[in-house]
Amino acid sequence: AQKVTQAQTEISVVEKEDVTLDCVYETRDTTYYLFWYKQPPSGELVFLIRRNSFDEQNEISGRYSWNFQKSTSSFNFTITASQVVDSAVYFCALSGGRDDKIIFGKGTRLHILP
Amino acid sequence: AAGVIQSPRHLIKEKRETATLKCYPIPRHDTVYWYQQGPGQDPQFLISFYEKMQSDKGSIPDRFSAQQFSDYHSELNMSSLELGDSALYFCASSPEEGQGETQYFGPGTRLLVL
Repeated sequence: AQKVTQAQTEISVVEKEDVTLDCVYETRDTTYYLFWYKQPPSGELVFLIRRNSFDEQNEISGRYSWNFQKSTSSFNFTITASQVVDSAVYFCALSGGRDDKIIFGKGTRLHILP
Repeated sequence: AAGVIQSPRHLIKEKRETATLKCYPIPRHDTVYWYQQGPGQDPQFLISFYEKMQSDKGSIPDRFSAQQFSDYHSELNMSSLELGDSALYFCASSPEEGQGETQYFGPGTRLLVL
């Protein structure tokens, strides 16, 4: 069975601090895909990144970076120099096997304090 | 860029009534997914369609049905509504069926059942 665990339910940091959101996944599939989505207070789900299981290269996009480690089944997300607009719920998610549906973690609610 | 369109954005119904949610995928996307997100919960997969055929089914109640039309838009029909159906319903689309394709989510329809 597939499972995504986001152990941090809620995090609060002061603006301009760096913050890392943890994500651990479980799957028996050899080919799988990992995602991060952002859900701001307005409610929409915003796609941030997709990574396949064969690509362990870390990625940086502006203030966002992702660290994928198959050895520890983790796909962590770091925001550098956080801003108030980063306040949202962040979901880590997984798809794989014969299904294309996405399995979401429970989400981490991030508060960036001014 | 064009995004997924969902209508209505908000809907209030009484118990035992019916509701129809509509989804218009991103142009040239032929795969549509429906998810349900309860308050404080992660999105849960309901059902998906590829080329107007149901491709996968999740935890969708028998009271719900859905279809995809020739223009690729999709409708989620919900009957005998219950209080527990109050949730945010997302539609997502992807450019083709297949494992791991990025799903782009619409803004959601917020359903309140009284």
